[in-house]
Amino acid sequence: AQSVTQPDIHITVSEGASLELRCNYSYGATPYLFWYVQSPGQGLQLLLKYFSGDTLVQGIKGFEAEFKRSQSSFNLRKPSVHWSDAAEYFCAVGSYSGTYKYIFGTGTRLKVLA
Amino acid sequence: NAGVTQTPKFQVLKTGQSMTLQCAQDMNHEYMSWYRQDPGMGLRLIHYSVGAGITDQGEVPNGYNVSRSTTEDFPLRLLSAAPSQTSVYFCASSSDRASTDTQYFGPGTRLTVL
Repeated sequence: AQSVTQPDIHITVSEGASLELRCNYSYGATPYLFWYVQSPGQGLQLLLKYFSGDTLVQGIKGFEAEFKRSQSSFNLRKPSVHWSDAAEYFCAVGSYSGTYKYIFGTGTRLKVLA
Repeated sequence: NAGVTQTPKFQVLKTGQSMTLQCAQDMNHEYMSWYRQDPGMGLRLIHYSVGAGITDQGEVPNGYNVSRSTTEDFPLRLLSAAPSQTSVYFCASSSDRASTDTQYFGPGTRLTVL
């Protein structure tokens, strides 16, 4: 069955430090992979997505993610975190094989220390 | 463009009451979806629509009804509210098959059922 795992529920980093949020998926074929960010009290906003091609994907707000097929991972990274990056981050997998499926992970809440 | 709008932002119901959560988009998107967000469970798909007049069930459809009479609107109906339906509800739309395309989210409706 298709699934998405975000193993870290909470992550705390200092402002200026690097960040990596983990995402692992389970899917038979090459999935469509997404990272969304949710600021407090807001809806979700797309950071980046991967469909095919270059496995290193650049997104908005200085984020990037790397698709690693061998590890079934799509980890989100940022070299230097800003206080405004404090939010909840969701990894998602999309597929269509007769029925529509769009599965979200349970989210990672990021706290940034000044 | 207003994007995806949802009303109301907050709602308190008593068990057994009915209500409709409104969702509208002005991007001429064919695909619209309803999700509920609960702590530690990420977003779960309730119902979705691939165009006017066409709807289908998602992962957690029980207790909810939808219809899609126009491209712009996709209301979610709770016929007899239960405390288990206390959640934050998000509406989303996308221009292409939602499983492979970016979804645009509304700001959410926070529903409490007493």
